[in-house]
Amino acid sequence: GAGVSQSPSNKVTEKGKDVELRCDPISGHTALYWYRQSLGQGLEFLIYFQGNSAPDKSGLPSDRFSAERTGGSVSTLTIQRTQQEDSAVYLCASSRFDSGTVYNEQFFGPGTRLTVL
Amino acid sequence: AQSVTQLGSHVSVSEGALVLLRCNYSSSVPPYLFWYVQYPNQGLQLLLKYTSAATLVKGINGFEAEFKKSETSFHLTKPSAHMSDAAEYFCAVSDPGGGADGLTFGKGTHLIIQP
Repeated sequence: GAGVSQSPSNKVTEKGKDVELRCDPISGHTALYWYRQSLGQGLEFLIYFQGNSAPDKSGLPSDRFSAERTGGSVSTLTIQRTQQEDSAVYLCASSRFDSGTVYNEQFFGPGTRLTVL
Repeated sequence: AQSVTQLGSHVSVSEGALVLLRCNYSSSVPPYLFWYVQYPNQGLQLLLKYTSAATLVKGINGFEAEFKKSETSFHLTKPSAHMSDAAEYFCAVSDPGGGADGLTFGKGTHLIIQP
């Protein structure tokens, strides 16, 4: 597609349920990022993938959060046993990874708005 | 550790007036700096970036920002505000050369344009 796409655009779930959020990066972008945007915390960086590998998972808020990326493309962010404080907009971004370029711009998707009741 | 401070969660200007959104950063190394804009229910769009080249950076939609190392600032300006500029603006910082840490964002400034 032309840009980063995320699904679903909105998700309402009950406390304690598991949710999966999907990100489709721009074709050819090997780097993929997940961020969380919430009223209390602003925009937080969660995790970064280079290809299918995530070098550092320490940005994930708790062990209920996990992320994976397969085939160097689609990524899924999974939240288990959701809590009300997980309510936020989850943003995905992708970029090229060109070591010869000073900076590879991150292109953001529209986000998934998660509401935990 | 890096941090970004945006002064003023809300800024209101009249249409045609100067826009000034403030951003100060804290970083142990000279960082890369960015301004993003977010329109309602949309993702973030890059306005401009500083990556250690020219200190005065011009971006899209008539915005520009100046990197001032002595003041650790990267304020965003636009000479004449337009109604379409109403949005949320985020300043962000990144370590040079590394994507693994992602971007560190400020809390954002909501720009309101008065007719």
